[in-house]
Amino acid sequence: QQPVQSPQAVILREGEDAVINCSSSKALYSVHWYRQKHGEAPVFLMILLKGGEQKGHDKISASFNEKKQQSSLYLTASQLSYSGTYFCGTQGTSGSRLTFGEGTQLTVNP
Amino acid sequence: EAGVTQFPSHSVIEKGQTVTLRCDPISGHDNLYWYRRVMGKEIKFLLHFVKESKQDESGMPNNRFLAERTGGTYSTLKVQPAELEDSGVYFCASSLIYEQYFGPGTRLTVT
Repeated sequence: QQPVQSPQAVILREGEDAVINCSSSKALYSVHWYRQKHGEAPVFLMILLKGGEQKGHDKISASFNEKKQQSSLYLTASQLSYSGTYFCGTQGTSGSRLTFGEGTQLTVNP
Repeated sequence: EAGVTQFPSHSVIEKGQTVTLRCDPISGHDNLYWYRRVMGKEIKFLLHFVKESKQDESGMPNNRFLAERTGGTYSTLKVQPAELEDSGVYFCASSLIYEQYFGPGTRLTVT
């Protein structure tokens, strides 16, 4: 079953923060986050493997609540380069297919 | 290290014709996945190879789609005959264990 992402779209000014949520109705093994710019390959951001795990690099971080079957992606002090469509992909078991949400379109304006 | 490459980047064919897409995964990655994104919707799984074996092909839409992975290296996805609803962007991804790295995709337009 497809995970649900929210919001569908968000517009920010440079330097503002954003949170993108991903919820699943099924038990999850992992959550993967990607960013895709128009016409380019989805770029891997991070993977969260364990319930309650949090990860981050630079100003982008994420959390995974296994019990609630939810993950959130946090973008702080957004930069123009953060613009794009963010997808969460979920896995039920290790190495299996990714099931993607419909994406969240993030636009960062100067 | 080279990333996942796909060829061609674009293909425009007429309904009823055949098209073959190619994916070269990252060297050493046993896992290879095909996905498709249609009309700006979500990215949907097509199938998964482990080396040369099909691990999961439950996402293949119908028998007009045929995927192969020769010798566990590159993979091809053939659509024969193509229909209008096959239009979209076909992505290939590869992984060693956990992270899946995507190629730039092939944009297929069936007219």
